[in-house]
Amino acid sequence: EDQVTQSPEALRLQEGESSSLNCSYTVSGLRGLFWYRQDPGKGPEFLFTLYSAGEEKEKERLKATLTKKESFLHITAPKPEDSATYLCAVHYGGATNKLIFGTGTLLAVQP
Amino acid sequence: NAGVMQNPRHLVRRRGQEARLRCSPMKGHSHVYWYRQLPEEGLKFMVYLQKENIIDESGMPKERFSAEFPKEGPSILRIQQVVRGDSAAYFCASSRETVNNEQFFGPGTRLTVL
Repeated sequence: EDQVTQSPEALRLQEGESSSLNCSYTVSGLRGLFWYRQDPGKGPEFLFTLYSAGEEKEKERLKATLTKKESFLHITAPKPEDSATYLCAVHYGGATNKLIFGTGTLLAVQP
Repeated sequence: NAGVMQNPRHLVRRRGQEARLRCSPMKGHSHVYWYRQLPEEGLKFMVYLQKENIIDESGMPKERFSAEFPKEGPSILRIQQVVRGDSAAYFCASSRETVNNEQFFGPGTRLTVL
């Protein structure tokens, strides 16, 4: 069964302390890997899409990378406003466009 | 440039009642997806629709749940005879095309069954 696993489940950082979040997936014809940010009580906010191993994308303090088995979301010098749950999802293609989500990493950045 | 719109944002129903959740996709988007997020769990795919067609309903419970995306108007997720286990956040997403499949989510409807 196709699975998406995110680690750690929760991460507490001091403001300015860089770190990485991990998303690993079973290999079965990956068509795309997506990162979202979700704030409490809100819908997921689209961040990045990665399509092939070696691809990287950046947005402000966030940088997403992709290998054949996992993706990393690097957070450089985080600020308290980066506190949120970060969700990873994969699209395996085929006749459906459904996304398979991990359970997320809850990030708390303390001032 | 309005995003995905969902209403109501909060819905309270008693057991046995019906719940109707509405979703208007982003302008220019013709693909709609419904996901459910149970407390302490991740988002789970329910159904994928295009105008007047259900493309994939593999995540929909076999009974009591139905979805439609008519030619005119919003997509509707309908839950008949709700039970307490239906309490969750229901999110709608839309995409412009299937090639890159970038799905944009609405704010969700939080259903509470008493």
